[in-house]
Amino acid sequence: DARVTQTPRHKVTEMGQEVTMRCQPILGHNTVFWYRQTMMQGLELLAYFRNRAPLDDSGMPKDRFSAEMPDATLATLKIQPSEPRDSAVYFCASGLALGGGGYNEQFFGPGTRLTVL
Amino acid sequence: DAKTTQPPSMDCAEGRAANLPCNHSTISGNEYVYWYRQIHSQGPQYIIHGLKNNETNEMASLIITEDRKSSTLILPHATLRDTAVYYCIVRFRMNNNAGNMLTFGGGTRLMVKP
Repeated sequence: DARVTQTPRHKVTEMGQEVTMRCQPILGHNTVFWYRQTMMQGLELLAYFRNRAPLDDSGMPKDRFSAEMPDATLATLKIQPSEPRDSAVYFCASGLALGGGGYNEQFFGPGTRLTVL
Repeated sequence: DAKTTQPPSMDCAEGRAANLPCNHSTISGNEYVYWYRQIHSQGPQYIIHGLKNNETNEMASLIITEDRKSSTLILPHATLRDTAVYYCIVRFRMNNNAGNMLTFGGGTRLMVKP
């Protein structure tokens, strides 16, 4: 049963610390998305990659957030320095691009619950 | 992407059909209707999508009106495990920034009761 995995599942850190969240997309998927969910804002798209290249990161605060795909099996989202307002659940999702470049559905991981004190 | 409107919450008795409505009056001809759901503490899960014809899979049925301005997701025999927030999303399915993004609204919180 292919699934998107995310680590860690929970992270508590202090303001100013660096946080790195990791995602392993479903094998063979070539599109990876990062979302953030809070009670106030709901689910927001932060960034996404196609074939490991960033296509859109307009939803991500550039001064402290960075997203990378070192290889096809690993996507990372880093926050440095972290702030209390970054407390949220961060979801990674992956999908397989269709022939026209779009895709059918996204498969979401279980999320990383981040708390910044 | 076209904006969607869903009721914030609904109740359904276990074993009965759950009919979740969605309005998308500004949908364009190239936009599909997608449904996802999010069970508490889990990531969103794809349910079904359609363009203009009604669709059915093992999870649900999707009924799209002829003018495509609204749709209904039907869970034919709701169970307690179907309690979740259900999101109706319209988006392009082609290779452009809009087509690759899911814009989640508030969704409908469905409570299935015994």
